[in-house]
Amino acid sequence: KAGVTQTPRYLIKTRGQQVTLSCSPISGHRSVSWYQQTPGQGLQFLFEYFSETQRNKGNFPGRFSGRQFSNSRSEMNVSTLELGDSALYLCASSSNPGLAGGITSTDTQYFGPGTRLTVL
Amino acid sequence: AQSVTQLGSHVSVSEGALVLLRCNYSSSVPPYLFWYVQYPNQGLQLLLKYTTGATLVKGINGFEAEFKKSETSFHLTKPSAHMSDAAEYFCAVSRNNDMRFGAGTRLTVKP
Repeated sequence: KAGVTQTPRYLIKTRGQQVTLSCSPISGHRSVSWYQQTPGQGLQFLFEYFSETQRNKGNFPGRFSGRQFSNSRSEMNVSTLELGDSALYLCASSSNPGLAGGITSTDTQYFGPGTRLTVL
Repeated sequence: AQSVTQLGSHVSVSEGALVLLRCNYSSSVPPYLFWYVQYPNQGLQLLLKYTTGATLVKGINGFEAEFKKSETSFHLTKPSAHMSDAAEYFCAVSRNNDMRFGAGTRLTVKP
C-alpha cells in the first residue's frame, strides 16, 4: 500500500506569510505526528493527532498549529513566518495513538519524505 | 527535563566492521528509547525501540540496542557494516508526552 505522502515537497515563502503543509497517512493509520528538522536545533516534535484530536504537543509557539480530518489526513499551519522556521517538516503515521511524542509501544511509525520550507 | 546525547557526530567504519553508535540520556525516570535512521533526502525510519521488558532490542537491518539503566545508555550496534548502512542515525527518548531527539550521528562506511 502507499506510504506516507507529504505535499508540497518544497516551498518558498517570505517572512510574515503563512503556510499550510499537508500529510496523508498510510491507509488505515489514524495517528499522525509532525516534526521539525533544522541543522541548528535538530529534530523536534511538534504535535500528534489521533482521530481528529491533538493528543501531544511539543514546545513550539502558538504560530504552529495543526488539525486532522475525518479521513486522517493532517495539515500543519505556520502563521507569521520567521526566518528560523526554515526547516524540513516531517510527518509520520501509525495505527494507534502514541505513548508520547507520537510513538506507540507496539506500532511502527512510518515517515513521509518531508516538506522543505524555505523562508526568505 | 529529558535530554539525549549522541557521542560522535561522525563515525566511520570499514565494510564488515562492527558498528557502534553511542547514545546516553538523562531522565528522572526510565524513558522510552528509540533509534531512527535517515537516508539522504528521505524521512526517518524507525530502527528499533525500547519501552518495557527485555533490555536487548533487535531491530531491522541487523541492528540491535541494549538499554542499560545503570549507565543511562542505549547504544546501537551492528556486527558487520554494509555499504547501505551509510546514513544519519538519531537516538530519541520519550517520557510523559515529552520527546527529544539527539543531534544525530552520520555513519560513513568505507569499502
